[in-house]
Amino acid sequence: SQKIEQNSEALNIQEGKTATLTCNYTNYSPAYLQWYRQDPGRGPVFLLLIRENEKEKRKERLKVTFDTTLKQSLFHITASQPADSATYLCALSYGGSQGNLIFGKGTKLSVKP
Amino acid sequence: GAVVSQHPSWVICKSGTSVKIECRSLDFQATTMFWYRQFPKQSLMLMATSNEGSKATYEQGVEKDKFLINHASLTLSTLTVTSAHPEDSSFYICSARGRDYTDTQYFGPGTRLTVL
Repeated sequence: SQKIEQNSEALNIQEGKTATLTCNYTNYSPAYLQWYRQDPGRGPVFLLLIRENEKEKRKERLKVTFDTTLKQSLFHITASQPADSATYLCALSYGGSQGNLIFGKGTKLSVKP
Repeated sequence: GAVVSQHPSWVICKSGTSVKIECRSLDFQATTMFWYRQFPKQSLMLMATSNEGSKATYEQGVEKDKFLINHASLTLSTLTVTSAHPEDSSFYICSARGRDYTDTQYFGPGTRLTVL
């Protein structure tokens, strides 16, 4: 069965630095990969979606890459701020009529002032 | 756009009672709604998928007689936890996907269920 690993359970960085989070998967590549932000006691908030034929996607200070050879996605937050502190979830989908998402456990990012 | 609400945000109940959680898409029509459960420090686990007007499809290991799902309209789905027990205590989150957002699921804020 498909496994998803977000390598770091927690990541601590200094304000202003770039945070880089990793998502690795096994088996065959998904149709698309999504990144969500989750704050404590809240539901996930959609950030970015990248398709298997896309190498990179950007949105303001966020950048996602998708390498189907390495079976890996990297999620970058540039010029990080304490308000970026949250858990970031990677989710895979194989599309189709159901398009179910398979989530990783998340990486808890802490940005120190 | 793409706002999903859940009600209640938290509920405490006695063992053996039933609890209903509502999930609404506020500004779009949700052709498909999903129900997830999340235990502390764990990933979201899909419980079931429901399409409007159809019976829900449950994931392996999820008891459909215990977790009743109704998706009566394009903006409302309900999850009823029947005869709840302490091990059902968890964070329940719904998500919705609409015709215009075919590849993205938008999540509700979640419902914290505590069964005493």
